[in-house]
Amino acid sequence: DIQMTQSPSSLSASVGDRVTITCRASQSISTYLNWYQQKPGKAPNLLIYAASSLESGVPSRFSGSGSGTDFTLAISSLQPEDSATYFCQQNYNTPYTFGQGTNLEIK
Amino acid sequence: QVQLQESGPGLVKPSETLSLTCTVSGGSVSSGSYYWSWIRQPPGKGLEWIGYIYYSGSTNYNPSLKSRVTISVDTSKNQFSLTLSSVTAADTAVYHCARASYGHTGILHYWGQGTLVTVSS
Repeated sequence: DIQMTQSPSSLSASVGDRVTITCRASQSISTYLNWYQQKPGKAPNLLIYAASSLESGVPSRFSGSGSGTDFTLAISSLQPEDSATYFCQQNYNTPYTFGQGTNLEIK
Repeated sequence: QVQLQESGPGLVKPSETLSLTCTVSGGSVSSGSYYWSWIRQPPGKGLEWIGYIYYSGSTNYNPSLKSRVTISVDTSKNQFSLTLSSVTAADTAVYHCARASYGHTGILHYWGQGTLVTVSS
C-alpha cells in the first residue's frame, strides 16, 4: 500500500494568514492526489483533485500543487470557516489511502 | 444535488456481521457514470478506504478487508450496501458512503455524513 504522510499534524493561524499543508507519498503517484476538508460531525468535502484542480464551488483561496511524491495544499487569506481537518488521499492505485489529517485551528 | 445517507445498527456484537445501507437521492445508482464507495474512520484515527461497486455489480475491495467485506447494489431501492463479517472492536468506526465518477474511481466528490458503528458486547 502507498503510505501518505501529512505535516504538520496540527497548526494554528490567524484570519488573513496564508497556510500550507504538505503531503508526502511513499512512492511516486504522479498527480493522483486529492485534498478533502472535514468539519466535526460532517461529511468530508472534496477541495482539490488531481493535485491542482479546484473542485466546483470551492473558494479560490484554496490551491494545490505538486507531483511525484510531494504535494502542498495552500489556503490564502484564511477565513474563520476554514477551521477544519484536512486530509490528502492518493488515487494512483488501490487500495486508495489517506494521510492522517491536519487539524487547522483559527486563532 | 446528489445526497447520500448511511443507515444501520449503531451497535454490533463481536464476531457478528455489520450491515449498512447508503440511500442515494438526487442521482441513480443505476447510472453508468458513477462508482459507489465505502470509507471508514475509527475514532481519533485516519480514513480507510473499504471498497467500491459499479452498477453492474463489479467490485474492488481493500485487500486488508477483502475476506470479510461485501458491497452490493440494489437498483430498485436506489441504495448500495456494506456487509462486514466477523467484526471485532477494531471495526468500530464512523462509516461513510461516497460517490466517484466513472474513470476516476478514487476521486470522491460526494460523501454521506457517516454513521458510527460500535462493536461491543
